[in-house]
Amino acid sequence: KAGVTQTPRYLIKTRGQQVTLSCSPISGHRSVSWYQQTPGQGLQFLFEYFSETQRNKGNFPGRFSGRQFSNSRSEMNVSTLELGDSALYLCASSRGPGNEQFFGPGTRLTVL
Amino acid sequence: QKEVEQNSGPLSVPEGAIASLNCTYSDRGSQSFFWYRQYSGKSPELIMFIYSNGDKEDGRFTAQLNKASQYVSLLIRDSQPSDSATYLCAVQWDRGSTLGRLYFGRGTQLTVWP
Repeated sequence: KAGVTQTPRYLIKTRGQQVTLSCSPISGHRSVSWYQQTPGQGLQFLFEYFSETQRNKGNFPGRFSGRQFSNSRSEMNVSTLELGDSALYLCASSRGPGNEQFFGPGTRLTVL
Repeated sequence: QKEVEQNSGPLSVPEGAIASLNCTYSDRGSQSFFWYRQYSGKSPELIMFIYSNGDKEDGRFTAQLNKASQYVSLLIRDSQPSDSATYLCAVQWDRGSTLGRLYFGRGTQLTVWP
């Protein structure tokens, strides 16, 4: 069974731009969660989607948004990029809320 | 405030030894516990999960949970150099509004030397 896939794997953007990251969960998994990982803050929860609905949202500004499609694939968007948004963005999928979460390879975002 | 604390390390053990990784958490309640391994430059990989008090064994890995003491640990027996990585403890509080959200510790860096 294929794992979680994320595209693109690497991104370089400049301040003020926006970016969209994509995540395809493991086949049969319906929950997708997004996390941001930085050396300073560690792994922090962004949001979780299940059945196209956002169930949970972490403590991030409104510049961070996401959505989930009917096939469970998910996208997250960051608008008006700031230098501090440089991070590894990780997507995790699970069968449903509360089940084990499996991470994709991540998207490394660099904001210049 | 839900917090997960881990010994920051680094933890260094010789090949063949037992590595013991510890994690404490705040806020009692119903929880699920997960251990992830993260190699440098890679994403976290789930290696163990435990839901009930006691021990759970999977190959060389044993997870131990004590909810009364709010403590979960991971033992790695017969440690190998390939076990050298950062180990992340994650807790999920099984309540409606937070179900599905993992709270992570900062990780413990383990080095196994030959």
